[in-house]
Amino acid sequence: GESVGLHLPTLSVQEGDNSIINCAYSNSASDYFIWYKQESGKGPQFIIDIRSNMDKRQGQRVTVLLNKTVKHLSLQIAATQPGDSAVYFCAENIMGYSTLTFGKGTMLLVSP
Amino acid sequence: NAGVTQTPKFQVLKTGQSMTLQCAQDMNHNSMYWYRQDPGMGLRLIYYSASEGTTDKGEVPNGYNVSRLNKREFSLRLESAAPSQTSVYFCASIVERNTEAFFGQGTRLTVV
Repeated sequence: GESVGLHLPTLSVQEGDNSIINCAYSNSASDYFIWYKQESGKGPQFIIDIRSNMDKRQGQRVTVLLNKTVKHLSLQIAATQPGDSAVYFCAENIMGYSTLTFGKGTMLLVSP
Repeated sequence: NAGVTQTPKFQVLKTGQSMTLQCAQDMNHNSMYWYRQDPGMGLRLIYYSASEGTTDKGEVPNGYNVSRLNKREFSLRLESAAPSQTSVYFCASIVERNTEAFFGQGTRLTVV
């Protein structure tokens, strides 16, 4: 829950702003990427995913961008709302493995 | 549709005590996972079961054992709890590789 956020990078935005959360991954053999949202006291919830043969994927108010050249993933949230306040994790699936490896997370704080 | 169910939600153990964390999924998923989450550390994989009848170590398996009881159930056992095992434990499942993982609500374990 709330203890998840200790020592995490934090992004503070105003309601209505667009938010961009970044993630660097290290393994060039990763072929699947996923973003999760975790609210205080809850388990991670799926937001959006992208496969390595794509550069961009859009969902409802969210867009994921993948730059394989620099091994960088970003999550863009349009018109951020207070309900978007949470910790956001990126995760990668390395080709040949059936496990997801998670990043350390970013806390998003949205002020009304 | 309950998804992934973990029991118990909270537990306090004394050092040296043993306990089993239970996880069940009703989505007919093939693979199941146990993660632990510590402040600022993201989710780290303890053990996983790629399919019924198989289990494999993850990143942090020491001090834990697992049992894939059937396709639905995957339990995590602490034989002799230590304060370093104080954490929030999450169970997850996926239907196949490169698809989203569904998470339970977590078990908050404190070892004193």
